[in-house]
Amino acid sequence: QKEVEQNSGPLSVPEGAIASLNCTYSDRGSQSFFWYRQYSGKSPELIMSIYSNGDKEDGRFTAQLNKASQYVSLLIRDSQPSDSATYLCAVQLLGVFGNEKLTFGTGTRLTIIP
Amino acid sequence: GAGVSQSPSNKVTEKGKDVELRCDPISGHTALYWYRQRLGQGLEFLIYFQGNSAPDKSGLPSDRFSAERTGGSVSTLTIQRTQQEDSAVYLCASGEHTYEQYFGPGTRLTVT
Repeated sequence: QKEVEQNSGPLSVPEGAIASLNCTYSDRGSQSFFWYRQYSGKSPELIMSIYSNGDKEDGRFTAQLNKASQYVSLLIRDSQPSDSATYLCAVQLLGVFGNEKLTFGTGTRLTIIP
Repeated sequence: GAGVSQSPSNKVTEKGKDVELRCDPISGHTALYWYRQRLGQGLEFLIYFQGNSAPDKSGLPSDRFSAERTGGSVSTLTIQRTQQEDSAVYLCASGEHTYEQYFGPGTRLTVT
């Protein structure tokens, strides 16, 4: 079983609709959860972080975390063509020094159709 | 402010040569990470620095790979006797106590 699993896609969503991206993780000790956006040929860009159960909203983005189900999701409202990218889910264990390595899923490729 | 910077942006080298990749983290960030991303694949953790020490080197694929960090700032990743399977984008990220990691633009390494 992979540590962090995502549907690789591609996921196609009409412009203006809601895009829903999902991620599951295997380690119950995971403490911090992140969503990165990666455009083709570019490096990952942090768009959301979430640390406790529930929803966290930032503009058109909402991250949802359910630690009991080991599930984290990202919703993108009013999808725009510029949202077309690969979305990476990343999970972090809390170690002695606090900051620990991120374990990444392989990413979901999202295409917004105009 | 300035983000994470990496150099060179591209490096083409012959099999068997040594290469050095450099990372300048965001000023004040104490944590620094190296990851590798092969074409079409996910990110693979290599090594993590807290200050100048490396608590976690578990991701280094072989003893041909080494990294150091000096002055709690710049880090260098060295690959000795490069092999074709080392071809990838090498990404550096830095972070502080918030746990969030911010990535540099990467170095694309091609071993011919």
